[in-house]
Amino acid sequence: RKEVEQDPGPFNVPEGATVAFNCTYSNSASQSFFWYRQDCRKEPKLLMSVYSSGNEDGRFTAQLNRASQYISLLIRDSKLSDSATYLCVGFLSGAGSYQLTFGKGTKLSVIP
Amino acid sequence: AAGVIQSPRHLIKEKRETATLKCYPIPRHDTVYWYQQGPGQDPQFLISFYEKMQSDKGSIPDRFSAQQFSDYHSELNMSSLELGDSALYFCASSLGETGRGYTFGSGTRLTVV
Repeated sequence: RKEVEQDPGPFNVPEGATVAFNCTYSNSASQSFFWYRQDCRKEPKLLMSVYSSGNEDGRFTAQLNRASQYISLLIRDSKLSDSATYLCVGFLSGAGSYQLTFGKGTKLSVIP
Repeated sequence: AAGVIQSPRHLIKEKRETATLKCYPIPRHDTVYWYQQGPGQDPQFLISFYEKMQSDKGSIPDRFSAQQFSDYHSELNMSSLELGDSALYFCASSLGETGRGYTFGSGTRLTVV
């Protein structure tokens, strides 16, 4: 079982729609989480960091529920440029482990 | 702002050949991570270095080795290349053990033919 699990999608939504992605993690020791955005054949780029209960940045809201071990990403008023793969990532620091653990990603296509 | 620099951007090698990928972290970053991303896959952690010492090891094959040099740049050496090694190889860097400023490079696309 993968440590970070996401619905792979694809999510096909019209412009202006609100879309939510969920991600669950199995390692309760994970200290922080991130949502990365990856465009085809490009490197992952940090979208949002989630250290406590949540974070909001413009149209994007991330929430963390440690009790249930899930993280969500909400995108409001979707734009065509939001089309990408969204990677849920856990970061575990300590005991010599400093790696990111990626989910398989959720593909989003915003349709005109 | 300076980013993580990887070279080369693209590399084509034949089976059983050797390849060396280079990564130059963001200035003052002391931690480097290597990831392998196959087609349609999520990035898989290979290995990381903190202050020039190996700090963690993931799914790196024995045919691969890596090191971090005194100027904090890192090289990933891949020998006896196999077709399955064809992938995008990302390097990331951060400041310290808390992963501050974790940033990916643009990647090296390795194709083994």
